Amino acid sequence: DGGITQSPKYLFRKEGQNVTLSCEQNLNHDAMYWYRQDPGQGLRLIYYSQIVNDFQKGDIAEGYSVSREKKESFPLTVTSAQKNPTAFYLCASSIDPGERPQHFGDGTRLSIL
Amino acid sequence: DQQVKQNSPSLSVQEGRISILNCDYTNSMFDYFLWYKKYPAEGPTFLISISSIKDKNEDGRFTVFLNKSAKHLSLHIVPSQPGDSAVYFCAASTTNAGGTSYGKLTFGQGTILTVHP
Repeated sequence: DGGITQSPKYLFRKEGQNVTLSCEQNLNHDAMYWYRQDPGQGLRLIYYSQIVNDFQKGDIAEGYSVSREKKESFPLTVTSAQKNPTAFYLCASSIDPGERPQHFGDGTRLSIL
Repeated sequence: DQQVKQNSPSLSVQEGRISILNCDYTNSMFDYFLWYKKYPAEGPTFLISISSIKDKNEDGRFTVFLNKSAKHLSLHIVPSQPGDSAVYFCAASTTNAGGTSYGKLTFGQGTILTVHP
């Protein structure tokens, strides 16, 4: 079955540590996205990538970094510079940047210890 | 600046009745709109979409209406079922490849729908 896999489901981080969230897709999609969801708020775009080796900042990129070395993979690193990292993180993909809908993974919940 | 707004945080409906979820947008460049359904601790699932060249799109129990002049869209669910209980997000984007929102979805805050048996 094709889909988007995010791991782990739950992640804990100590203050001052960087942590990387995994996102893998086997849909052969060119475009991939990272969103953050906070209670009472919609999904906010962190970073997106339209093609391998290229990515752009979304609306709330500060304190985050990404890479896109392979078409299938778009990992998100939450750095210690992100002041409020506790949230639900969602990865999505689409066939190409202009294609909708975007398909989502099941998310990773990050908590600070 | 919230470009897509869902002003009702929650909605409670009796099973079998109609559920109407509303969404307003401010960016006139948006020309494609989607509704997603989300259960707790899961990713959103696409429900239905509409292009700005239409004012209505129907798929089974789900119908989306678009009023471009009012910059308003709504999702109707008829009849509502207990399994429809979830958070519903509307999202907007532009098909203009030169636009800043191209390839990006802007989401509303979500509306929690509860359908009572």
